[in-house]
Amino acid sequence: EVQLVESGGGLVKPGGSLRLSCAASGFTFSSYSMNWVRQAPGKGLEWVSSISSSSSYIYYADSLKGRFTISRDNAKNSLYLQMNSLRAEDTAVYYCARPQDFFGGAFDIWGQGTMVTVSS
Amino acid sequence: DIQLTQSPSFLSASVGDRVTITCRASQGISSYLAWYQQKPGKAPKLLIYAASTLQSGVPSRFSGSGSGTEFTLTISSLQPEDFATYYCQQLNSYLPYTFGQGTKLEIK
Repeated sequence: EVQLVESGGGLVKPGGSLRLSCAASGFTFSSYSMNWVRQAPGKGLEWVSSISSSSSYIYYADSLKGRFTISRDNAKNSLYLQMNSLRAEDTAVYYCARPQDFFGGAFDIWGQGTMVTVSS
Repeated sequence: DIQLTQSPSFLSASVGDRVTITCRASQGISSYLAWYQQKPGKAPKLLIYAASTLQSGVPSRFSGSGSGTEFTLTISSLQPEDFATYYCQQLNSYLPYTFGQGTKLEIK
């Protein structure tokens, strides 16, 4: 079964850091680019970051202003999101998502999400 | 950045109704548009990609159309399980992969 499972969320104080993980299974992880998408409570979906299959191309939403770092370990079939200098507005469910394997492919596989709460 | 504007933001309808949701892009995105369905507490589910291609396993009552800057998602005959929030997303080469603000479909 094709599956993505996020972990690492939790409660963190403003200014703190957190590292999210996404474990992939059931497909050839190293052949796909991957994405992080977040959703603040009661709000819509916001694309956060993308990483190409070999980590050669990395993109971030402008709103992150260099605070987040996406990475992957193809040997471990895992995707990561290092989040630093966290703010209250980063409070959200964070999803990892796999796109279809062609240009402009939509996100056809999503994890269940992991909740990040930034609060003192 | 490309902006996506969905209309309406809220829609009240009855089982059996035909409903249409519109997504307008601030600049042309060819057919690089997807539609997702999200239920409370769940991850989004892909319904339509490339503007009009039905994702495998999605009921045929869902359909998509459009290209360039205007797109529509149509549900031909609403079923109880269709009451959810729907999002469009652009996947053109111009990052970010913007989402629309969402359309909440509620039971009348």
